[in-house]
Amino acid sequence: QSALTQPASMSGSPGQSITISCTGTSSDVGSYNLVSWYRQHPGKAPKVMIYEVRQRPSGVSNRFSGSKSGNTASLTISGLQAEDEAVYYCSSYVGSSTWVFGGGTTLTVL
Amino acid sequence: QVQLVQSGAEVKKTGASVKVSCKASGYTFGVYYMHWVRQAPGQGLEWVGTINPSGGATSYAQKFQGRVTMTTDTSTSTVFMDLRSLTSQDTAVYFCARNYGGAFDYWGQGTLVTVSS
Repeated sequence: QSALTQPASMSGSPGQSITISCTGTSSDVGSYNLVSWYRQHPGKAPKVMIYEVRQRPSGVSNRFSGSKSGNTASLTISGLQAEDEAVYYCSSYVGSSTWVFGGGTTLTVL
Repeated sequence: QVQLVQSGAEVKKTGASVKVSCKASGYTFGVYYMHWVRQAPGQGLEWVGTINPSGGATSYAQKFQGRVTMTTDTSTSTVFMDLRSLTSQDTAVYFCARNYGGAFDYWGQGTLVTVSS
């Protein structure tokens, strides 16, 4: 169960769009549409932003969108805002009731 | 409203065990799997394992096999995580999180477990 691969850091200016990638294997991301994305602010619990690849929970801004191609999932944040500055994690089902997270991407809003 | 309330911070000696609880409210307890996720200081999220509160079936990450046990008490809607043979590498914040629709939709506030010699 190796961690999914995410870029360690990314940055963008307010109003811009950014896309965070999450690369797994044919055994996890590539096999299941059970990829989710979480935002974590310092000292807080993570919050789900996207689930089942592209579903947005009630209350999450439509500036957040998800997609998947092969073994790589992506989270796109459009119209960057200061509140989007946080660490983002992806997660995927791996089968046999097991799950894995990505290493996290620190997003800086310049 | 859904709430997951965890037990308080713990300080343990190397080699000891720790038991962290997570009390659920605001939904039908037995319907949703509960997971444990940990986060070492300054590090990312790490999935520890999961339990089906209805029946008690468990699944653990390979690295914790043999060292972790997850249980439930349906009478109090509480799940427990017992981690044994603690080392300094187990120092982390431990979160419980409810699973719904392939996502961890509600999280506890986290429990800091500090292991020192």
